[in-house]
Amino acid sequence: DQQVKQNSPSLSVQEGRISILNCDYTNSMFDYFLWYKKYPAEGPTFLISISSIKDKNEDGRFTVFLNKSAKHLSLHIVPSQPGDSAVYFCAASAPRSNYQLIWGAGTKLIIKP
Amino acid sequence: NAGVTQTPKFQVLKTGQSMTLQCAQDMNHEYMSWYRQDPGMGLRLIHYSVGAGITDQGEVPNGYNVSRSTTEDFPLRLLSAAPSQTSVYFCASQGLTSGNTIYFGEGSWLTVV
Repeated sequence: DQQVKQNSPSLSVQEGRISILNCDYTNSMFDYFLWYKKYPAEGPTFLISISSIKDKNEDGRFTVFLNKSAKHLSLHIVPSQPGDSAVYFCAASAPRSNYQLIWGAGTKLIIKP
Repeated sequence: NAGVTQTPKFQVLKTGQSMTLQCAQDMNHEYMSWYRQDPGMGLRLIHYSVGAGITDQGEVPNGYNVSRSTTEDFPLRLLSAAPSQTSVYFCASQGLTSGNTIYFGEGSWLTVV
């Protein structure tokens, strides 16, 4: 049973437009959420995070929104750039979980010129 | 600025062979972990360690062994390789005072034939 789900395996967006990547979770104990970005043949790199006490966190072109009642978070990238083409992973952790993260399967974002 | 270093990057093994994936970090992080990534799945935790001399099992520990004799190093041993262990392996580290931001190595591509 996947506790963190990224239901879109891939997403194609025009350069300059908004990219919206979605993530759903089932465990109401999760209190911290992260997005990682991964290029081919490289390890994932941290992008942005959000605590469950917030509903929005912004960092430059990247904004993460958290809807606790719907158990849903989304990553918005505005404007999308060619270098944003990558696989994006959503991950979550719960208190007293010994820092373990539960990962989604990833969404491959393709930015079209 | 090494961060997390994994070796080897690529390896082909025969079924039944054993090998060790090396991982070293230079950030003095307490927490280190090993993940595997398979197509269509998120990262799955194999083993982790919260400090030298302490290791514990993650979600998919069978067929793997770890040790943590120093803060810097966290090798992953495949005891008797099986084709099901064909995967991409990522080592990661994080400081326990820096939230849940995890820093990953570049990955090790392992094929078991």
